[in-house]
Amino acid sequence: GAGVSQSPSNKVTEKGKDVELRCDPISGHTALYWYRQSLGQGLEFLIYFQGNSAPDKSGLPSDRFSAERTGGSVSTLTIQRTQQEDSAVYLCASSLKAERTEAFFGQGTRLTVV
Amino acid sequence: GENVEQHPSTLSVQEGDSAVIKCTYSDSASNYFPWYKQELGKRPQLIIDIRSNVGEKKDQRIAVTLNKTAKHFSLHITETQPEDSAVYFCACNQGGKLIFGQGTELSVKP
Repeated sequence: GAGVSQSPSNKVTEKGKDVELRCDPISGHTALYWYRQSLGQGLEFLIYFQGNSAPDKSGLPSDRFSAERTGGSVSTLTIQRTQQEDSAVYLCASSLKAERTEAFFGQGTRLTVV
Repeated sequence: GENVEQHPSTLSVQEGDSAVIKCTYSDSASNYFPWYKQELGKRPQLIIDIRSNVGEKKDQRIAVTLNKTAKHFSLHITETQPEDSAVYFCACNQGGKLIFGQGTELSVKP
């Protein structure tokens, strides 16, 4: 069916508020990745899921960031007490399995903290 | 550690010339090396990938070479066209996750 879907497309929030970003992967894809891309920068790894488990959370910038995945499908990335430096595009990708297969990206959520 | 170095950060070529982007990685267990193209304001999209059991792969004007001993791989674009202008990212798998290089902004001048 459809590709990777992320919502919202854009989010403007006030400093100190919590935000929740959603990712709907391609159906049947067991691996799901979150990346952060600041303006004109590269793809910074945040976390990945294999099924509902997160074997590697090493990229999460601070304890204000958390993510979960339920039913091996939808994932949410939560940022608590947002700061201005959290402003970036948050990209989600999914692949059939974690190893050696193409990762398909969503269109991203542009987060602006004012 | 986890490190993918990509060079150059910017590359400007004349239409019709070739472009080469190089990446090095640190994890000897990496065995999957994709390249992504990201046009302005759009999502990254896979253009070619290579697995560690081969040294070279071609797809029309695009080729990728892999040297596992030296831990580096390169993207080659021949007969460049203005529509090739974009940011290109290399990546490699490390323990199940994909780690990306910092990107190369390619500009093809008509």
